Amino acid sequence: QVQLVQSGAEVRNPGASVKVSCKTSGFTFSKYYMHWVRQAPGQGLEWIGWINPYIGTTNYSQTFQGRVTMTRDTSVSEVYMELTSLRSDDTAFYYCARLLTPDYYFDSWGQGTLVTVSS
Amino acid sequence: SYELTQPPSVSVSPGQTARITCSGDVLPKQYAYWYQKKAGQAPVLVIYKDTERPSGIPERFSGSSSGTTVTLTVSGVQAEDEADYYCLTADSSGSLYVFGSGTKVTVL
Repeated sequence: QVQLVQSGAEVRNPGASVKVSCKTSGFTFSKYYMHWVRQAPGQGLEWIGWINPYIGTTNYSQTFQGRVTMTRDTSVSEVYMELTSLRSDDTAFYYCARLLTPDYYFDSWGQGTLVTVSS
Repeated sequence: SYELTQPPSVSVSPGQTARITCSGDVLPKQYAYWYQKKAGQAPVLVIYKDTERPSGIPERFSGSSSGTTVTLTVSGVQAEDEADYYCLTADSSGSLYVFGSGTKVTVL
């Protein structure tokens, strides 16, 4: 069955970077765009961007342009989301999600990774 | 950039109907998707492509679309439907996505 397993919780100081991983299994890794979404405490869902695992192309929300980088390692079927110049308002749960085509919805989600930014 | 606007909250008694709207200029051109989000859980898709219901989602969930507004309707609301609901769509190129501001549904 489809599984998305994310890395564990992280704590960072303001200004630092964090890299969250999402290990996939149960499907052909290269065939599905992978997206990242976050939710800060008491806030709504926020779309961050996507990566095409087949060729590695990416597209990011303007909100995160210049601070986010999504990559993948096809040898281990993992995608990664790195966020730099962290601020306290980056404290949030970060989720990876698989985009199912042709209906274009997120059908599987990771369990979420809590990133806490605090000095 | 573009935005999707939802009411912050909707309150409904058990067995009644909850209607949650989502408005945005891109909606006549792009499909909307609805996700249910409960604390500590990953989002769950309840409606896709404006009106389609995924397998496993109760029939009391339905979607509709009219112009720049899409609506999620929960008929015969149950206590377990208490959650936050978010609409989602993509821009005209289908490359950039945005969530609505979210609506908290409270079952009285």
